Amino acid sequence: KAGVTQTPRYLIKTRGQQVTLSCSPISGHRSVSWYQQTPGQGLQFLFEYFSETQRNKGNFPGRFSGRQFSNSRSEMNVSTLELGDSALYLCASSLVPGLAGTDTQYFGPGTRLTVL
Amino acid sequence: QKEVEQNSGPLSVPEGAIASLNCTYSDRGSQSFFWYRQYSGKSPELIMFIYSNGDKEDGRFTAQLNKASQYVSLLIRDSQPSDSATYLCAANQAGTALIFGKGTTLSVSS
Repeated sequence: KAGVTQTPRYLIKTRGQQVTLSCSPISGHRSVSWYQQTPGQGLQFLFEYFSETQRNKGNFPGRFSGRQFSNSRSEMNVSTLELGDSALYLCASSLVPGLAGTDTQYFGPGTRLTVL
Repeated sequence: QKEVEQNSGPLSVPEGAIASLNCTYSDRGSQSFFWYRQYSGKSPELIMFIYSNGDKEDGRFTAQLNKASQYVSLLIRDSQPSDSATYLCAANQAGTALIFGKGTTLSVSS
């Protein structure tokens, strides 16, 4: 079974631009979560989608948004990029939202975003 | 604020030794606990999860959970240089997002 895929793997943008990242979950997984990872802050939760609805949201500004499609694929968008948005953006999928029961979460390879 | 705390390390152990990684969490409602391994430049890889108090063994790895002390640990027996990585502890309450610690860097010397 194929794992979580993310595209693109690397991105270089300049301040003020916007960016869209894509994530395809493991087949059969309907929940997709997004995280930002930086050396200083570690892994920080952005948001989680299930059945095209945002179920949980982290403490990030409104410049960070996402959506999920009917096939469970998800996109996240960052508008008006700032230097501090440079990070590894990770997508993770699970069967159900919030890992209810004995569910587990699997990560994709990530998208490395550099903002100049 | 819900937090997961880990000693950043580095934790250095010789090849063949037991590596002990520790984690504490602040939310008493946390029900599920996960250990991920992350090699430099790679994404986190799930090692194991634990839900019940006590020990859970999987090959060279043993996870230990003590909910009364709000403490989770990961033991790696017969440590190998290939185990050198950052180990992330995470906790969640069903229906909520995973909260990750900042990770402990493990270095296994040959």
